[in-house]
Amino acid sequence: GQQVMQIPQYQHVQEGEDFTTYCNSSTTLSNIQWYKQRPGGHPVFLIQLVKSGEVKKQKRLTFQFGEAKKNSSLHITATQTTDVGTYFCAGSNAGNMLTFGGGTRLMVKP
Amino acid sequence: NAGVTQTPKFQVLKTGQSMTLQCAQDMNHEYMSWYRQDPGMGLRLIHYSVGAGITDQGEVPNGYNVSRSTTEDFPLRLLSAAPSQTSVYFCASSYRTNQPQHFGDGTRLSIL
Repeated sequence: GQQVMQIPQYQHVQEGEDFTTYCNSSTTLSNIQWYKQRPGGHPVFLIQLVKSGEVKKQKRLTFQFGEAKKNSSLHITATQTTDVGTYFCAGSNAGNMLTFGGGTRLMVKP
Repeated sequence: NAGVTQTPKFQVLKTGQSMTLQCAQDMNHEYMSWYRQDPGMGLRLIHYSVGAGITDQGEVPNGYNVSRSTTEDFPLRLLSAAPSQTSVYFCASSYRTNQPQHFGDGTRLSIL
C-alpha cells in the first residue's frame, strides 16, 4: 500500500533559525496536504498542493511539491516560538484516502 | 458552526469494558474518519466512511466498530477494551476522501 515517510522525526532549533521537514511517498500522489498540530491540540490544515513543481507561500512558510509528485517539503524561515508543534504531511492517490506521514516535531528555543 | 465535535474529551476504562466515542459534524461533509495517535506513530486510520450507510476499514481496524446511519454522526465503538488501545482518538471530516480534513479536539482514552 501507499506509504508516506517524513523526516526528520524531531528538530530542535534556536529561535530565528530556519527549519525544513521533508515528505516522501512510495507512489505518485494526486495531491499533498500539510497540517500543524500544536502540543495538546488537534491537527489543523495548512495548505494543499496539487500541481507538479508547485510552490506556495504563507508568510514565513514555503511549501513545495516535487516534479515527480512523490515528495514535498515545508520550510519555515526565521522560526518563532509560535511555530512549535508537529507538522504532518498527508498524501493521496486520485480518489483514495489520505495517508499521513509520521510527523516532524519542531521545538524552538527562545 | 461547531465543526467536528467529539465526546467525551477524556475517558478511563478497565480492560474488557466497552464504550462508544461520539463524533458529529455540522458541515454536511460526506467523508468521515477515525484516527488514533500514539507517540512517534503519527496518525493511523482506523475506519472511514464515504457517506451515510457506507463504512470501510483503515489501517488498524481490529477491536473497533463503526456505523454511519446519518451524514452528521460517525460513532466509534470499542468492543472489549485492551491496554493497547490507550491512545488519543481523532475524528475528522471532509467534503471528499482526499480533501482537506477538519479534525475534532480528540478523545484521550486510557485503558487500565
